[in-house]
Amino acid sequence: KQEVTQIPAALSVPEGENLVLNCSFTDSAIYNLQWFRQDPGKGLTSLLLIQSSQREQTSGRLNASLDKSSGRSTLYIAASQPGDSATYLCAVITDNDMRFGAGTRLTVKP
Amino acid sequence: DGGITQSPKYLFRKEGQNVTLSCEQNLNHDAMYWYRQDPGQGLRLIYYSQIVNDFQKGDIAEGYSVSREKKESFPLTVTSAQKNPTAFYLCASRISSGYEQYFGPGTRL
Repeated sequence: KQEVTQIPAALSVPEGENLVLNCSFTDSAIYNLQWFRQDPGKGLTSLLLIQSSQREQTSGRLNASLDKSSGRSTLYIAASQPGDSATYLCAVITDNDMRFGAGTRLTVKP
Repeated sequence: DGGITQSPKYLFRKEGQNVTLSCEQNLNHDAMYWYRQDPGQGLRLIYYSQIVNDFQKGDIAEGYSVSREKKESFPLTVTSAQKNPTAFYLCASRISSGYEQYFGPGTRL
C-alpha cells in the first residue's frame, strides 16, 4: 500500500526566504504527483501536477520536482511572502488511486 | 462559473441521526470522490464514483453511504453507524481522461 510522508510537519520562515517542502512515497510506480495548497477551513487548490514522465513543473514562484526512482518530490517556493502561509499537501496518483500526505503547515512571517 | 460546490458549510449531527452532505459540479467531470480530513492527517478516501449509477468503497466507507443518480451530483450520507463523524469532508471531481482532481470548499461536520 502506498504511503506518503511529508516532512517537516510545520515550518516557519521570515518573509523573502526561499524554502523547500518535501514529499516522499514508498511505491515508485506512480502515474502523477500533485501539489495542493489548503488555507484554514477551506478546500484544496491545485498548484502543480507533475506527470510521471516529467522531472519538474514550474508556476510563477513555485517549482516542483519529481524523482520517481528515489520516491521523492520537492516543492520549492522562491521569495516567500506572508500570503504563502497555508498547508501544502502532496498527493501521489497511481491508476485510480490518490494517496495524500498529512501536509506541511507553512508560516511566513512579515 | 465552473466549479464544485458543497453544502452546507457547517453541519451538526445529533447522535442516532443520519445527515446528508451535498456535492455538485458543473465541470462535466465523470469521476467524483469523497474524502475525510482529520487534524494532522492526510485525506482519506470514503467513496468514489467513475460513472453515473456506479460507485466504489474507499478505505473508510463504513458508516457512510452515497448515490450517483446524476453526473453532476454525488451526495454523501453520514449514517448513525458512523461513531466518530466529526471531521472536515471534501468532495472532488476529475475528468475521465485526466488525473488532476478539483476540490470543493468542504463541509465541517
